[in-house]
Amino acid sequence: AQSVAQPEDQVNVAEGNPLTVKCTYSVSGNPYLFWYVQYPNRGLQFLLKYITGDNLVKGSYGFEAEFNKSQTSFHLKKPSALVSDSALYFCAVRPSRGGYNKLIFGAGTRLAVHP
Amino acid sequence: DTAVSQTPKYLVTQMGNDKSIKCEQNLGHDTMYWYKQDSKKFLKIMFSYNNKELIINETVPNRFSPKSPDKAHLNLHINSLELGDSAVYFCASSQSSSSYNEQFFGPGTRLTVL
Repeated sequence: AQSVAQPEDQVNVAEGNPLTVKCTYSVSGNPYLFWYVQYPNRGLQFLLKYITGDNLVKGSYGFEAEFNKSQTSFHLKKPSALVSDSALYFCAVRPSRGGYNKLIFGAGTRLAVHP
Repeated sequence: DTAVSQTPKYLVTQMGNDKSIKCEQNLGHDTMYWYKQDSKKFLKIMFSYNNKELIINETVPNRFSPKSPDKAHLNLHINSLELGDSAVYFCASSQSSSSYNEQFFGPGTRLTVL
């Protein structure tokens, strides 16, 4: 069965410190991986995606994520957190073959950046 | 300009009623989706249409019926509303149904069934 795990319900970081939001996945074949962010009372916004190529993917707002095939992980990172980064972050996956663009989402991780 | 818009933003109704949520995208995308986000923020796909053709139909009660009059619109009609239908419903679109396309989400419709 295809699935995404975000092991932390919440991540707390001080402003200016690096942040990591973890994601691991289980999918048949090669995965396509995505990160989305949801601010309060808003829809999801696309941050970045891994399709193929360089394992380090750079996205919006200074975020990046590293695809690690052996560990089946796609952790989201940022070198220096901002208070405005506080939001709900979703990792999503789908296999590169079969079916349509059916994304499977993780349960979400709430990022809280403290001044 | 709003890329993916939904109406209404809030919907409060009684059990047993029938209601509709409308979605429009002005991105020229071919594919549209409906998602349900429950109170624990878990997000699950319900339906997807590609060029007005239904391509994803998850295990959703048949009280839920999507309709796509054209590729820029995907509406969701819900019959005989139940308490468990209370959630936030998100519409989304993508350039095509290809798996590498990111999806663009609307602002959501918060449905409360009393």
